[in-house]
Amino acid sequence: AQKVTQAQTEISVVEKEDVTLDCVYETRDTTYYLFWYKQPPSGELVFLIRRNSFDEQNEISGRYSWNFQKSTSSFNFTITASQVVDSAVYFCALQGAQKLVFGQGTRLTINP
Amino acid sequence: KAGVTQTPRYLIKTRGQQVTLSCSPISGHRSVSWYQQTPGQGLQFLFEYFSETQRNKGNFPGRFSGRQFSNSRSEMNVSTLELGDSALYLCASSPLAGVRGNEQFFGPGTRLTVL
Repeated sequence: AQKVTQAQTEISVVEKEDVTLDCVYETRDTTYYLFWYKQPPSGELVFLIRRNSFDEQNEISGRYSWNFQKSTSSFNFTITASQVVDSAVYFCALQGAQKLVFGQGTRLTINP
Repeated sequence: KAGVTQTPRYLIKTRGQQVTLSCSPISGHRSVSWYQQTPGQGLQFLFEYFSETQRNKGNFPGRFSGRQFSNSRSEMNVSTLELGDSALYLCASSPLAGVRGNEQFFGPGTRLTVL
């Protein structure tokens, strides 16, 4: 069975602080993909990143960075110098052999 | 390119009624997946359609059904509505189906309220 755990239900920080969203996954598949999606108040899920199980290279995109560690089954997401526009619910997701499985999401609030 | 569109955006129904939700994928995308999002259960996969065939199905009762048309547009139907069916229903499209790691593009969702 596949499972994604986002232990942080809600995080609230002040603008310009760095914040890390945790994601831990479980799967028996040797080939799988990990994703992060952002869901702003409008409801639409916005794709942020995809990483396959054979690529443990960390990635940086502007203020966003992702740390994939297979040894701890984690795929954490860090926002540097957070901004109010980063406020949203963030979902980590896992796709093994079949369907996409989402974590419960982390509601991130950036206060001015 | 236009994104995924879903209609209607909001819907209010009463218990026992049935409802049909519609999803138009991005032009050229042939795979459509449906998800249910609730505060308690989070985001759960309902089913996936590709070339008018259901390829994959989540753990939902038979009251939940769907179909896909030759133009890739998809509809999902929920019969005999229950209060617990109140949710945001999200549709996602992708160019192919059954391809691991395939990026899915989501629509804005239909918020269904069952009274």
